[in-house]
Parts: sequence; C-alpha cells; structure tokens
Amino acid sequence: SAVISQKPSRDICQRGTSLTIQCQVDSQVTMMFWYRQQPGQSLTLIATANQGSEATYESGFVIDKFPISRPNLTFSTLTVSNMSPEDSSIYLCSAGTGENTEAFFGQGTRLTVV
Amino acid sequence: GEDVEQSLFLSVREGDSSVINCTYTDSSSTYLYWYKQEPGAGLQLLTYIFSNMDMKQDQRLTVLLNKKDKHLSLRIADTQTGDSAIYFCAERRGGSYIPTFGRGTSLIVHP
Repeated sequence: SAVISQKPSRDICQRGTSLTIQCQVDSQVTMMFWYRQQPGQSLTLIATANQGSEATYESGFVIDKFPISRPNLTFSTLTVSNMSPEDSSIYLCSAGTGENTEAFFGQGTRLTVV
Repeated sequence: GEDVEQSLFLSVREGDSSVINCTYTDSSSTYLYWYKQEPGAGLQLLTYIFSNMDMKQDQRLTVLLNKKDKHLSLRIADTQTGDSAIYFCAERRGGSYIPTFGRGTSLIVHP
C-alpha cells in the first residue's frame, strides 16, 4: 500500500490569490491524480499528473487555472490560481500503479476562499 | 443519469446491519470498490470486488455484485457508531486506471 501525505490540510484564502497543495507518496507510484470534492458531491477528476511532462486535464479544467507539477515519481503539486469562492472545495491527491487494483488517497486539503 | 448512483443517506441503529446500494451503467467495469470517508479525512479503501465474482466477505463487510443488473451492495454487520461516515461506490472500466465515483452515501449510526 502507499501512504499519501497532503499539505496543507486546510486553508482559508483571499479571492484573487493562489494556493499550492503538495502531495507526497511514501513509495514510487506510476500514476498520480488530483480530484476535487465539492460539498455533497462526488469526486471529480481534475487531471492526471504525469511525471516529467504536462498533466492531462479532464474536460472543464485547464492548466492556467490548475497548474500541476510532478517532478518525480513520489511528489506532485496542484495550484489553484486566481481563486474565487466557487473554488472552495476539498482537493484530494490520489496515487496508484497500473498493476494494482487500488487507488490510494491523501487526507485532502479543505480550501475556503473568502 | 449518472454513471454510478447511490442513495445519499442511510440511518441505522447501532448493532443492526447496514446495506448500502450502488448501481452502475458500464458493463465493461472490471473492478468495483467501496471507499469510506470519515469527517475531515481522505478516502480509505474498504474493499473491492472483481467483476467475475458475485460475493466477497471480509470480517463484518460483505460485498454482493449482481453483474446482470449492474448492482453492487455493501453490507456492514453489527454496525457501530464508528462506522458513521460517507461510503463511496466506485467502478473502474476495462482499459482505464481511473475509477468513477458515486456521490457517496452518508451512513448515520444512532444508539
């Protein structure tokens, strides 16, 4: 199994600012993902973080708003740029390998934009 | 409709069994998962089942899969207050490593 650490665990930010969320995995993983979980909603995949190349974004999410880095096989960051109250959500990092059946999750970052 | 559907709430008495239901639409689903999310926490994988199985038991948890009806259920025996959480059903389709999640069922256990 993989242990995923995310930080910060929560933050309150001013609109118009940006926040970078870090995700650290305790072992090398093939795949890392970023999800958003809005209140009362399911998890929505934002993007797949690709090691050494640009992330693959899902429909409705763009790199300018959610730039993602993945410099190696154990670490990724998600930045929420130019925040508005609509970005208030829980952001979750997930990781796994293609061979495994499981996707592991971090504890999430609860973001409130005021 | 949504790809994975769950009822939003379930309330049970402590000691009773809980049954959380889920339906999905894609017949090519290969793995089906149940995750648990406690308040303020990430998702914890509880159990999963391969699409060629119809039942899996793990201590207090029993997963039933009806592939014909695309119906998945999670039964928790002897439900405890510590089982109160949101339970997410998820399915992973053949050829994809990314699961699709339902909206989650909030399980409330009362004395």
